[in-house]
Amino acid sequence: QEQLVESGGGVVQPGRSLRLSCAGSGITLSHHGMHWVRQAPGKGLEWVAGLSHNGRDTWYAGSVKGRFTISRDSSKNTLYLQMNSLTTDDTAVYYCAKETESFDIWGQGTMVTVSS
Amino acid sequence: QAGLTQPPSVSRGLGQIATLTCTGDSNSVGYQGATWLQQYQGQPPKLLSYRSNNRPSGISERLSASRSGNTASLTITGLQPEDEADYYCSAWDSSLSGWVFGGGTKLTVL
Repeated sequence: QEQLVESGGGVVQPGRSLRLSCAGSGITLSHHGMHWVRQAPGKGLEWVAGLSHNGRDTWYAGSVKGRFTISRDSSKNTLYLQMNSLTTDDTAVYYCAKETESFDIWGQGTMVTVSS
Repeated sequence: QAGLTQPPSVSRGLGQIATLTCTGDSNSVGYQGATWLQQYQGQPPKLLSYRSNNRPSGISERLSASRSGNTASLTITGLQPEDEADYYCSAWDSSLSGWVFGGGTKLTVL
């Protein structure tokens, strides 16, 4: 069964950093494009970042460009999102999603709260 | 970052037909079509349709998607109580080199 499991969320102060992880089970992440999508409390979905299947291309939303970095460790079958210079606007549930034809498999999400 | 436009809410009766719309432009919906996702409260989204009219296995045949120009539509026939959820559209935006989402439509089945 294909499954994605996020971890690494928590409460962090503004200006600090946090790294999220997304472990694949039954899925070889390096065979697929992978994305991070977030959802602020009571709000809609917002695409954050994407990584091509071959790992050569990355894309970022304008709101996180220069602060967030998406990466993958194929040996650990894990996707990462390094988040720096966090602000209160980054408070959200962060989901990782696999892209075959589109966002076809989603994790359960991990909550990030940026608060002083 | 430009997004897609969805009506905030749609209400229809049990057994009726609901059509949800998603409007973008020639760089997004008009470029490669739209993806439709369903989300229940407290749950991750679920893929319903991709590239406007392709339905993954296991998705009800009561759901169909289409596109006309820069507007994508999701039609749900024979509405059931379990169809009550939030529905999001998404598309790759070639001008932004990124994915954009609509604000979501809350479907209420009366």
